[in-house]
Amino acid sequence: SQTIHQWPATLVQPVGSPLSLECTVEGTSNPNLYWYRQAAGRGLQLLFYSVGIGQISSEVPQNLSASRPQDRQFILSSKKLLLSDSGFYLCALLGAGANYGYTFGSGTRLTVV
Amino acid sequence: DQQVKQNSPSLSVQEGRISILNCDYTNSMFDYFLWYKKYPAEGPTFLISISSIKDKNEDGRFTVFLNKSAKHLSLHIVPSQPGDSAVYFCAAKGRTSGTYKYIFGTGTRLKVLA
Repeated sequence: SQTIHQWPATLVQPVGSPLSLECTVEGTSNPNLYWYRQAAGRGLQLLFYSVGIGQISSEVPQNLSASRPQDRQFILSSKKLLLSDSGFYLCALLGAGANYGYTFGSGTRLTVV
Repeated sequence: DQQVKQNSPSLSVQEGRISILNCDYTNSMFDYFLWYKKYPAEGPTFLISISSIKDKNEDGRFTVFLNKSAKHLSLHIVPSQPGDSAVYFCAAKGRTSGTYKYIFGTGTRLKVLA
């Protein structure tokens, strides 16, 4: 079965510091991977998606970037965090067949102080 | 532009009664819809789905209704239980440049009162 691992679970970072969140998947190959953010009082906003190694599509202009160095690894990064980057970050894997929806990771709570 | 909307940010229901969560969408090309349930500090988990060729799908206490002409779907939970207290997101499947992705509503926080 497909599983998705995301870490760390919580992170407190000062403004201007770098960020790296990692997501890895098991049980599937060549998955479509997604980074979402849930900000306070808002829904799930799609940040990036990737259909393969080195292929990144950005949904919204922002202070973040994403990379896919390996088939089952998806990384969310920032060179300098802003206060507005605080939120709950979720990595998601599209199930076998688009109608299976997403499997989400457990999320990372990022607080920028 | 919010293509999927959940206009009720919160809902409180008495245990044993029906919970009805609503979702509206604007894009008639969406052909598949899902509901997710999310507890605090956890990732959302899949709850129930419906294809645009159907108007109802039922799974135990959960039923999703789709009204294509109104571009509206709803999730009914009967009977509601305290463990159902969570944030519920509806999502619609869209396709961009050959890639599938789901567009989520802003969520509705359901509180079931014991």
